[in-house]
Amino acid sequence: AQTVTQSQPEMSVQEAETVTLSCTYDTSESDYYLFWYKQPPSRQMILVIRQEAYKQQNATENRFSVNFQKAAKSFSLKISDSQLGDAAMYFCAYRSAGAGGTSYGKLTFGQGTILTVHP
Amino acid sequence: DGGITQSPKYLFRKEGQNVTLSCEQNLNHDAMYWYRQDPGQGLRLIYYSQIVNDFQKGDIAEGYSVSREKKESFPLTVTSAQKNPTAFYLCASGDLFSYNSPLHFGNGTRLTVT
Repeated sequence: AQTVTQSQPEMSVQEAETVTLSCTYDTSESDYYLFWYKQPPSRQMILVIRQEAYKQQNATENRFSVNFQKAAKSFSLKISDSQLGDAAMYFCAYRSAGAGGTSYGKLTFGQGTILTVHP
Repeated sequence: DGGITQSPKYLFRKEGQNVTLSCEQNLNHDAMYWYRQDPGQGLRLIYYSQIVNDFQKGDIAEGYSVSREKKESFPLTVTSAQKNPTAFYLCASGDLFSYNSPLHFGNGTRLTVT
């Protein structure tokens, strides 16, 4: 079974600064997808960024980028020019690739990291 | 607009009562999922379903039951056998054949049992 670990329960950053959230995972699979979700106080789950394991290029979405190290099974999220609206709980998640099978497309989540942004 | 609707947003029950949480989606997704969220913990998978009339236990299925009679609906029943039912419950759906597509989540139901 796959596991996802976020070792930072809480992080803080000054507005306009850069912060990196860590995530490691354990899997024996070679093909999979990784996601970062944001959960603001409204508790709505919002997709931040996704990475396909077979792609070596790190994904980028505006101020959000990832550092994907497949051999090290590491998937960190970098938030540049942090904004007050970035304050939220961030979850790293793993999804097996391939249709059908026993995974059913389910996501396995890490424990989450609470990000505080100071003005 | 397509999306997932969970109802109610807040639910209060007395200990010993069964309670059913509703989840409806109009995204035409085959797969649906129920997750539980507790403070300081990530989302844990309760049950999931790939097609109508088929569902599988997740990591913490004890004390819960589900049904999938329609593609659009995946209700979750929290039974009196669930020892710690107070939690935040999230329903999600996804496309099984497009795994780079993210799961779509509802807004959640906060269940309080006293």
